[in-house]
Amino acid sequence: GQNIDQPTEMTATEGAIVQINCTYQTSGFNGLFWYQQHAGEAPTFLSYNVLDGLEEKGRFSSFLSRSKGYSYLLLKELQMKDSASYLCAVLDSNYQLIWGAGTKLIIKP
Amino acid sequence: GAVVSQHPSRVICKSGTSVKIECRSLDFQATTMFWYRQFPKQSLMLMATSNEGSKATYEQGVEKDKFLINHASLTLSTLTVTSAHPEDSSFYICSARPGQGDGQPQHFGDGTRLSIL
Repeated sequence: GQNIDQPTEMTATEGAIVQINCTYQTSGFNGLFWYQQHAGEAPTFLSYNVLDGLEEKGRFSSFLSRSKGYSYLLLKELQMKDSASYLCAVLDSNYQLIWGAGTKLIIKP
Repeated sequence: GAVVSQHPSRVICKSGTSVKIECRSLDFQATTMFWYRQFPKQSLMLMATSNEGSKATYEQGVEKDKFLINHASLTLSTLTVTSAHPEDSSFYICSARPGQGDGQPQHFGDGTRLSIL
């Protein structure tokens, strides 16, 4: 079966750095997405990785290792507004998006 | 960037009412749109894939006759919750993706919060 694993919840301090991991086992791979979802709102697109390596976009970076079935989202200089759920999703061989359950990130002052 | 509009944002109605939710891609054509449901503190659950010009593909456990999907054009898909009951109360979100190729993220509408009394 297809499976995406990410931690249920993480806590970090304002100004710090946090890394949210995602591991996947899917039928084929056509890319991995990270989305941010604030409570009561729809998800918003953060990043896309299809090749191995690190993609940096401002305070957020996303890393992919296809051989390990592993990705992480790195958030730097954390702000209170970064408190949200972060969803990892993989596009499989049929271009179907397989979603992780999301990681709730709590930022403390 | 790609924009998806979803309407209405909130519905409160009595049990037994049918509710229609619209999803529009504003600046791109979408042959495929997706309908999700999310209960409080739970992950997104794909309900169905809406295909322009053909029948929707429903996920296992989702009742076709209860959740009617019509993909009338390349920019509009509708979800009708028929004879809604309190257990149908949830956050319904649509999404669409420009094209099918790599690197095209799904863009989400703002969601519809449905409350059945």
